[in-house]
Amino acid sequence: DAGVTQSPTHLIKTRGQHVTLRCSPISGHKSVSWYQQVLGQGPQFIFQYYEKEERGRGNFPDRFSARQFPNYSSELNVNALLLGDSALYLCASSLVQGYHEQYFGPGTRLTVT
Amino acid sequence: GIQVEQSPPDLILQEGANSTLRCNFSDSVNNLQWFHQNPWGQLINLFYIPSGTKQNGRLSATTVATERYSLLYISSSQTTDSGVYFCAVINTGTASKLTFGTGTRLQVTL
Repeated sequence: DAGVTQSPTHLIKTRGQHVTLRCSPISGHKSVSWYQQVLGQGPQFIFQYYEKEERGRGNFPDRFSARQFPNYSSELNVNALLLGDSALYLCASSLVQGYHEQYFGPGTRLTVT
Repeated sequence: GIQVEQSPPDLILQEGANSTLRCNFSDSVNNLQWFHQNPWGQLINLFYIPSGTKQNGRLSATTVATERYSLLYISSSQTTDSGVYFCAVINTGTASKLTFGTGTRLQVTL
């Protein structure tokens, strides 16, 4: 079975632009979470979606938004990009919401210039 | 929020050596996971271990939830074990939000 997939792998954007990152969870998993990892640090929680509803939000500005589709895939959108948004964006899936094991995709490396 | 600290921050081993990585957390947890992040950034699941002891080949882990710590043991280390090891927890009452520790960077040399 395929694991968590993310696209694109790498992305270069200019300050002020908008970006959309995509994630497909493991087949049968209904919960998707997004994390941001800047160089030298551990991943930081951005959002969690379950059954197409936002179930948790981390300490990120409103420029960050996300949604989950009926097939449980998800998009992360970031508006008005800043240099500080340069990071590895990781998507994780789990069977359902709660304390279950989470599995991570390979990530999207975003560079803002 | 919950604090997760890992030690040591850096570790250099010769191939074949054993090591113990520690994760301390400041509050009760319902999920604890250990990950290995490879040089390409992929987080690889090692253990899901909110309590108790598990073993998988050369790796084993123990979590003592009542004392708020977890240990990851690596035996007979290999160069492919190099990378960053993260402990991550879900604090009771914050369903699905993983809080990651500070990480241990391991380098295994020949």
